Amino acid sequence: DTEVTQTPKHLVMGMTNKKSLKCEQHMGHRAMYWYKQKAKKPPELMFVYSYEKLSINESVPSRFSPECPNSSLLNLHLHALQPEDSALYLCASSQVLFVGTDYEQYFGPGTRLTVT
Amino acid sequence: AQTVTQSQPEMSVQEAETVTLSCTYDTSESDYYLFWYKQPPSRQMILVIRQEAYKQQNATENRFSVNFQKAAKSFSLKISDSQLGDAAMYFCAYRSGNYGGSQGNLIFGKGTKLSVKP
Repeated sequence: DTEVTQTPKHLVMGMTNKKSLKCEQHMGHRAMYWYKQKAKKPPELMFVYSYEKLSINESVPSRFSPECPNSSLLNLHLHALQPEDSALYLCASSQVLFVGTDYEQYFGPGTRLTVT
Repeated sequence: AQTVTQSQPEMSVQEAETVTLSCTYDTSESDYYLFWYKQPPSRQMILVIRQEAYKQQNATENRFSVNFQKAAKSFSLKISDSQLGDAAMYFCAYRSGNYGGSQGNLIFGKGTKLSVKP
C-alpha cells in the first residue's frame, strides 16, 4: 500500500469557521509533510513532522495549526482563515531522511480549500 | 539558497513523439538529489524519475529519461513515445543531501504543462 489519503476532497469555509484537514498513511513512514499549492504554482512547504514531532515550520501563520497524533495521521487545523488561503493543500509522507539516504515522498490527492 | 528554474510554462507533443522538458538549478552544494514529478489534472503528485548528483549515469525509467549535466546545472526530462496519459504538469525539484534541519525539503520549479495531441 503506497497510498496517502486526504479528507475531505473539497472544503468551503467562512472566515470565522474552524475546520480540520486530515491525512493518513499506512506505509510506516515517520516523516509527514503539509504543502500549500496555489493554482498553476508549485507546492510550497508548510510543515514537516519527523517521528511525530514538528521539525519544520516554514513561517506559517498561526491560523494554521498542525497536529500529528500518531505515526499514521496528520491533521491541519484551520481557524480564522483569509480568502487568500484558498488553495490545494497537499499532504506527503516519506521515510525519515538521514545524510546519505534518499526516500521518495508520496503525495496525497489534496484537499481543495475555498475560504469565503 | 538553491533555486530551480523551468523556462517552459507549456509544451505540446504529438502522441508517439518525443518531447524534452528543461530544468536548470542553482546550488553551491555537492550532495543533492534531483527529481521530476508529474501532477495530472486529478492532482495527485507522483514521482517520475530521480537522479543522485554523485551518479554520472543518467537515470531512466521506461519511456522517461533524464539528461543530467552537473557542470551546467541542467536536468532535462525526455519522454519518448508520448502517450495521452502523459498530459500533466511536470515539476522539476531539488533536495539537498545535507538534511540537517531541512528534513526532506523539496524545492520545486514553477512547472511545465505538457499537452499530448492525439
